Amino acid sequence: AQSVTQPDIHITVSEGASLELRCNYSYGATPYLFWYVQSPGQGLQLLLKYFSGDTLVQGIKGFEAEFKRSQSSFNLRKPSVHWSDAAEYFCAVGWEDSNYQLIWGAGTKLIIKP
Amino acid sequence: SAVISQKPSRDICQRGTSLTIQCQVDSQVTMMFWYRQQPGQSLTLIATANQGSEATYESGFVIDKFPISRPNLTFSTLTVSNMSPEDSSIYLCSVASPEAFFGQGTRLTVV
Repeated sequence: AQSVTQPDIHITVSEGASLELRCNYSYGATPYLFWYVQSPGQGLQLLLKYFSGDTLVQGIKGFEAEFKRSQSSFNLRKPSVHWSDAAEYFCAVGWEDSNYQLIWGAGTKLIIKP
Repeated sequence: SAVISQKPSRDICQRGTSLTIQCQVDSQVTMMFWYRQQPGQSLTLIATANQGSEATYESGFVIDKFPISRPNLTFSTLTVSNMSPEDSSIYLCSVASPEAFFGQGTRLTVV
Protein backbone atom coordinates (compact mmCIF):
# COMPACT_ATOMS: atom_id res chain seq x y z
CA ALA A 1 0.00 0.00 0.00
CA GLN A 2 1.07 3.55 -0.60
CA SER A 3 2.27 5.45 2.45
CA VAL A 4 4.10 8.60 3.41
CA THR A 5 6.22 8.86 6.54
CA GLN A 6 7.34 11.97 8.32
CA PRO A 7 9.33 10.48 11.17
CA ASP A 8 9.61 13.63 13.24
CA ILE A 9 6.42 14.71 15.00
CA HIS A 10 8.04 17.95 16.04
CA ILE A 11 11.40 19.62 15.61
CA THR A 12 12.87 22.52 17.57
CA VAL A 13 15.39 24.75 15.85
CA SER A 14 17.04 27.97 16.91
CA GLU A 15 16.31 31.02 14.82
CA GLY A 16 18.99 31.37 12.17
CA ALA A 17 19.90 27.70 12.24
CA SER A 18 19.46 25.33 9.33
CA LEU A 19 16.49 23.00 8.99
CA GLU A 20 15.83 19.64 7.45
CA LEU A 21 12.45 17.92 7.61
CA ARG A 22 12.30 14.33 6.48
CA CYS A 23 9.78 12.64 4.24
CA ASN A 24 9.83 9.09 2.92
CA TYR A 25 7.29 7.33 0.76
CA SER A 26 6.57 3.80 -0.29
CA TYR A 27 5.41 2.55 -3.69
CA GLY A 28 7.48 1.94 -6.76
CA ALA A 29 5.86 4.14 -9.37
CA THR A 30 7.04 7.62 -10.31
CA PRO A 31 5.79 9.99 -7.63
CA TYR A 32 4.61 13.56 -7.57
CA LEU A 33 6.00 15.12 -4.41
CA PHE A 34 4.84 18.12 -2.44
CA TRP A 35 5.51 20.03 0.72
CA TYR A 36 2.79 22.14 2.29
CA VAL A 37 2.88 24.48 5.25
CA GLN A 38 0.03 25.24 7.62
CA SER A 39 0.41 28.11 10.04
CA PRO A 40 -1.78 28.14 13.14
CA GLY A 41 -5.38 28.79 12.17
CA GLN A 42 -4.46 29.10 8.52
CA GLY A 43 -5.06 27.10 5.40
CA LEU A 44 -2.59 24.88 3.60
CA GLN A 45 -0.04 26.58 1.38
CA LEU A 46 2.06 24.82 -1.23
CA LEU A 47 5.77 25.34 -0.56
CA LEU A 48 7.19 23.40 -3.47
CA LYS A 49 6.60 20.48 -5.76
CA TYR A 50 8.49 17.91 -7.78
CA PHE A 51 7.15 16.25 -10.90
CA SER A 52 10.25 15.41 -12.93
CA GLY A 53 13.62 16.77 -14.00
CA ASP A 54 16.09 18.39 -11.64
CA THR A 55 15.84 16.60 -8.34
CA LEU A 56 16.61 19.73 -6.33
CA VAL A 57 13.61 22.02 -6.35
CA GLN A 58 13.28 25.51 -5.04
CA GLY A 59 10.14 26.75 -3.37
CA ILE A 60 8.74 29.81 -1.73
CA LYS A 61 10.02 31.39 1.47
CA GLY A 62 13.58 30.16 0.85
CA PHE A 63 12.76 26.46 1.10
CA GLU A 64 14.18 23.75 -1.10
CA ALA A 65 13.73 20.00 -1.29
CA GLU A 66 15.68 17.18 -2.87
CA PHE A 67 14.17 14.07 -4.38
CA LYS A 68 16.31 10.98 -3.88
CA ARG A 69 14.78 8.07 -5.72
CA SER A 70 17.21 5.54 -4.25
CA GLN A 71 16.09 6.51 -0.75
CA SER A 72 12.43 7.19 -1.60
CA SER A 73 12.86 10.52 0.12
CA PHE A 74 11.92 14.14 -0.43
CA ASN A 75 13.45 16.09 2.43
CA LEU A 76 12.73 19.76 2.95
CA ARG A 77 15.54 22.14 3.83
CA LYS A 78 16.11 25.75 4.67
CA PRO A 79 19.54 27.19 5.39
CA SER A 80 18.40 29.72 8.00
CA VAL A 81 15.01 29.64 9.67
CA HIS A 82 13.04 32.65 10.81
CA TRP A 83 10.57 32.83 13.68
CA SER A 84 7.80 33.14 11.10
CA ASP A 85 8.61 29.64 9.85
CA ALA A 86 7.05 28.13 12.96
CA ALA A 87 4.20 26.03 11.56
CA GLU A 88 3.11 22.52 10.69
CA TYR A 89 4.71 21.03 7.60
CA PHE A 90 3.11 18.27 5.57
CA CYS A 91 4.65 16.10 2.93
CA ALA A 92 2.24 14.73 0.32
CA VAL A 93 2.78 12.26 -2.49
CA GLY A 94 0.73 11.41 -5.53
CA TRP A 95 1.23 8.96 -8.31
CA GLU A 96 0.39 9.00 -11.99
CA ASP A 97 -2.03 6.14 -11.53
CA SER A 98 -3.76 7.60 -8.51
CA ASN A 99 -6.04 10.11 -10.24
CA TYR A 100 -4.36 12.98 -8.39
CA GLN A 101 -5.33 11.59 -5.02
CA LEU A 102 -2.57 12.51 -2.56
CA ILE A 103 -1.28 10.52 0.37
CA TRP A 104 -0.35 12.76 3.29
CA GLY A 105 2.30 12.43 5.93
CA ALA A 106 1.41 12.93 9.57
CA GLY A 107 3.07 16.33 9.64
CA THR A 108 6.03 17.83 11.47
CA LYS A 109 5.53 20.71 13.82
CA LEU A 110 8.40 23.19 13.62
CA ILE A 111 9.18 25.13 16.77
CA ILE A 112 11.59 28.05 16.59
CA LYS A 113 13.69 28.97 19.61
CA PRO A 114 14.57 32.65 19.87
CA SER B 1 -3.75 27.25 -9.93
CA ALA B 2 -7.27 27.23 -8.60
CA VAL B 3 -9.08 29.49 -6.20
CA ILE B 4 -11.47 27.69 -3.91
CA SER B 5 -14.16 29.38 -1.86
CA GLN B 6 -15.49 27.35 1.01
CA LYS B 7 -18.25 28.26 3.39
CA PRO B 8 -19.09 28.51 6.14
CA SER B 9 -15.64 29.21 7.53
CA ARG B 10 -16.74 28.07 10.96
CA ASP B 11 -19.85 26.96 12.77
CA ILE B 12 -21.00 25.73 16.13
CA CYS B 13 -23.73 23.14 15.86
CA GLN B 14 -25.94 21.17 18.19
CA ARG B 15 -25.49 17.43 18.31
CA GLY B 16 -27.97 15.56 16.18
CA THR B 17 -28.20 18.30 13.56
CA SER B 18 -26.62 18.45 10.10
CA LEU B 19 -24.35 20.97 8.44
CA THR B 20 -23.79 21.43 4.73
CA ILE B 21 -20.45 22.81 3.60
CA GLN B 22 -20.18 24.41 0.19
CA CYS B 23 -17.14 24.51 -2.04
CA GLN B 24 -16.91 26.68 -5.16
CA VAL B 25 -13.95 26.51 -7.57
CA ASP B 26 -13.08 29.25 -10.04
CA SER B 27 -12.44 26.77 -12.86
CA GLN B 28 -13.88 23.51 -14.06
CA VAL B 29 -12.33 20.46 -12.45
CA THR B 30 -13.05 16.79 -12.84
CA MET B 31 -12.40 15.67 -9.31
CA MET B 32 -12.85 17.33 -5.98
CA PHE B 33 -11.68 15.93 -2.69
CA TRP B 34 -13.09 16.31 0.78
CA TYR B 35 -10.79 15.99 3.77
CA ARG B 36 -11.12 16.06 7.51
CA GLN B 37 -8.38 17.42 9.71
CA GLN B 38 -8.82 16.76 13.40
CA PRO B 39 -6.98 18.99 15.86
CA GLY B 40 -3.25 18.50 15.66
CA GLN B 41 -3.61 15.81 13.02
CA SER B 42 -2.89 15.34 9.36
CA LEU B 43 -5.45 15.29 6.59
CA THR B 44 -7.74 12.31 6.21
CA LEU B 45 -9.50 11.86 2.91
CA ILE B 46 -13.24 11.46 3.30
CA ALA B 47 -14.24 11.03 -0.32
CA THR B 48 -13.54 11.88 -3.91
CA ALA B 49 -16.35 13.60 -5.80
CA ASN B 50 -16.59 13.28 -9.56
CA GLN B 51 -19.17 15.22 -11.49
CA GLY B 52 -21.89 12.98 -12.83
CA SER B 53 -21.22 10.02 -10.60
CA GLU B 54 -21.52 9.06 -6.97
CA ALA B 55 -18.72 10.01 -4.67
CA THR B 56 -16.13 7.41 -3.72
CA TYR B 57 -15.73 7.10 0.04
CA GLU B 58 -12.64 6.06 1.93
CA SER B 59 -12.65 3.36 4.54
CA GLY B 60 -14.38 4.55 7.68
CA PHE B 61 -16.60 7.09 5.93
CA VAL B 62 -20.10 6.34 4.66
CA ILE B 63 -22.53 8.16 2.44
CA ASP B 64 -25.28 8.26 5.05
CA LYS B 65 -23.04 10.22 7.40
CA PHE B 66 -21.25 12.36 4.80
CA PRO B 67 -23.47 12.76 1.73
CA ILE B 68 -21.79 14.64 -1.09
CA SER B 69 -23.25 16.41 -4.05
CA ARG B 70 -21.41 17.38 -7.21
CA PRO B 71 -23.95 19.04 -9.50
CA ASN B 72 -21.42 20.59 -11.89
CA LEU B 73 -17.70 20.95 -12.57
CA THR B 74 -17.19 23.93 -10.25
CA PHE B 75 -19.24 23.13 -7.17
CA SER B 76 -19.62 20.51 -4.47
CA THR B 77 -21.19 20.17 -1.06
CA LEU B 78 -20.41 17.94 1.88
CA THR B 79 -23.02 17.37 4.55
CA VAL B 80 -22.09 16.20 8.01
CA SER B 81 -25.20 14.43 9.25
CA ASN B 82 -26.49 13.64 12.71
CA MET B 83 -23.49 15.30 14.25
CA SER B 84 -21.80 14.30 17.47
CA PRO B 85 -18.93 15.99 19.31
CA GLU B 86 -16.55 13.53 17.61
CA ASP B 87 -17.32 15.27 14.32
CA SER B 88 -15.70 18.47 15.59
CA SER B 89 -12.94 19.07 13.11
CA ILE B 90 -11.78 21.13 10.18
CA TYR B 91 -13.28 20.08 6.88
CA LEU B 92 -11.43 20.95 3.70
CA CYS B 93 -12.30 20.73 0.07
CA SER B 94 -9.56 20.42 -2.48
CA VAL B 95 -8.84 20.12 -6.15
CA ALA B 96 -5.68 18.65 -7.63
CA SER B 97 -3.90 19.16 -10.91
CA PRO B 98 -1.80 17.30 -9.61
CA GLU B 99 -0.80 19.68 -6.83
CA ALA B 100 -3.61 20.18 -4.37
CA PHE B 101 -5.31 23.50 -3.82
CA PHE B 102 -7.47 24.03 -0.79
CA GLY B 103 -10.26 26.16 0.43
CA GLN B 104 -9.73 27.88 3.76
CA GLY B 105 -11.62 25.12 5.50
CA THR B 106 -14.65 24.90 7.73
CA ARG B 107 -13.97 24.72 11.44
CA LEU B 108 -16.85 22.75 12.93
CA THR B 109 -17.57 22.50 16.62
CA VAL B 110 -20.35 20.21 17.78
CA VAL B 111 -21.76 20.83 21.24
